[in-house]
Amino acid sequence: GAGVSQSPSNKVTEKGKDVELRCDPISGHTALYWYRQSLGQGLEFLIYFQGNSAPDKSGLPSDRFSAERTGGSVSTLTIQRTQQEDSAVYLCASSLTGGAGNQPQHFGDGTRLSIL
Amino acid sequence: EDQVTQSPEALRLQEGESSSLNCSYTVSGLRGLFWYRQDPGKGPEFLFTLYSAGEEKEKERLKATLTKKESFLHITAPKPEDSATYLCAVQRARSNDYKLSFGAGTTVTVRA
Repeated sequence: GAGVSQSPSNKVTEKGKDVELRCDPISGHTALYWYRQSLGQGLEFLIYFQGNSAPDKSGLPSDRFSAERTGGSVSTLTIQRTQQEDSAVYLCASSLTGGAGNQPQHFGDGTRLSIL
Repeated sequence: EDQVTQSPEALRLQEGESSSLNCSYTVSGLRGLFWYRQDPGKGPEFLFTLYSAGEEKEKERLKATLTKKESFLHITAPKPEDSATYLCAVQRARSNDYKLSFGAGTTVTVRA
């Protein structure tokens, strides 16, 4: 479809393993965001990409988290040495540009990550 | 730090019983306040953006309003398909800062 696509939809892994989560934004959207939604909590900002500018990494909770965006399109969020507290739904969003509210962020359905 | 508080946490309505959801916010300069709807197992779906106090937006049975300290989402004559979690978020008016700060949401259940 034409929406934000995330894969995998579910991921179960053992504590200490590395995981990669993928996001395909809406075609033509230059801004891409990652958020995390833990059970019973609100969405928490992680990282933001806008075009070729340096990403805003201010929301990453530790240095085990990193993200890249290749060719201004697809993004991968990597979590190294996963911990049980990393269990959450990881949501990706994109917007036409990184700006005004008339360009709202559109979300994918997320990757549900479970750390055993 | 931006703060967004939504109330109530949960709301159970009979079909046709109108009600309102509250979103109180504290932000140093508001660029926009956003309402989203989230169904179980899905990502948030954009509903409205409000920019300034006094502004109102409507979509079907939903109407969003904004003051300097809070926003309300009014649901008029709700139907079971309006059952969802409604999320409020603010975006700060600061250069190159476009992240959204979300509240914890209000879960609405509409019974037929």
